[in-house]
Amino acid sequence: DAGVTQSPTHLIKTRGQQVTLRCSPKSGHDTVSWYQQALGQGPQFIFQYYEEEERQRGNFPDRFSGHQFPNYSSELNVNALLLGDSALYLCASSLFWAGGRTGANVLTFGAGSRLTVL
Amino acid sequence: GQSLEQPSEVTAVEGAIVQINCTYQTSGFYGLSWYQQHDGGAPTFLSYNALDGLEETGRFSSFLSRSDSYGYLLLQELQMKDSASYFCAVRLYSSASKIIFGSGTRLSIRP
Repeated sequence: DAGVTQSPTHLIKTRGQQVTLRCSPKSGHDTVSWYQQALGQGPQFIFQYYEEEERQRGNFPDRFSGHQFPNYSSELNVNALLLGDSALYLCASSLFWAGGRTGANVLTFGAGSRLTVL
Repeated sequence: GQSLEQPSEVTAVEGAIVQINCTYQTSGFYGLSWYQQHDGGAPTFLSYNALDGLEETGRFSSFLSRSDSYGYLLLQELQMKDSASYFCAVRLYSSASKIIFGSGTRLSIRP
């Protein structure tokens, strides 16, 4: 089982550019959540995708958008990059929470994509 | 608002026991989880308390008291490899699709 895979692992962009980060969930998982983690802080929820729809969104501007594909993989897009967007972006997969499935409360994280905005 | 408070840093000695606390201000949640993250690594799931009480998984135990708005992670027989950051997390009733995390506790183990 490959677990959650993310790409790229590191990238450097300049202000105003756009970036796309990719995530393949753990086999058997149908839900993907994206988190932003600044250095020394806890992961901050960006949004969650299930059945190719955004199900919940955190306190992030519309510059952050995403997509989920029929194979459950997902992309995070950030437009008009700001210096403050520099962070580790984590993808986490799970089972969808509705129905009380046990696996819904266990997030499996990828190693993350570290974005540096100059 | 909804918040999870943790001590920022804790230091302990190898072989000892340490408790990492998590206090919360939230209107209601499904359960309390704990995650471990080593420097440069991904967070990994440790435990989940759906109900009040103690859950034990090997050297790690987790406790939840909803009446006291309090939970903790207990690590026994500390090993150097336990040096990491630990995060508590909850799934809120008000926005059940997302799990929110505390700011984390950095645990340092001394020989």
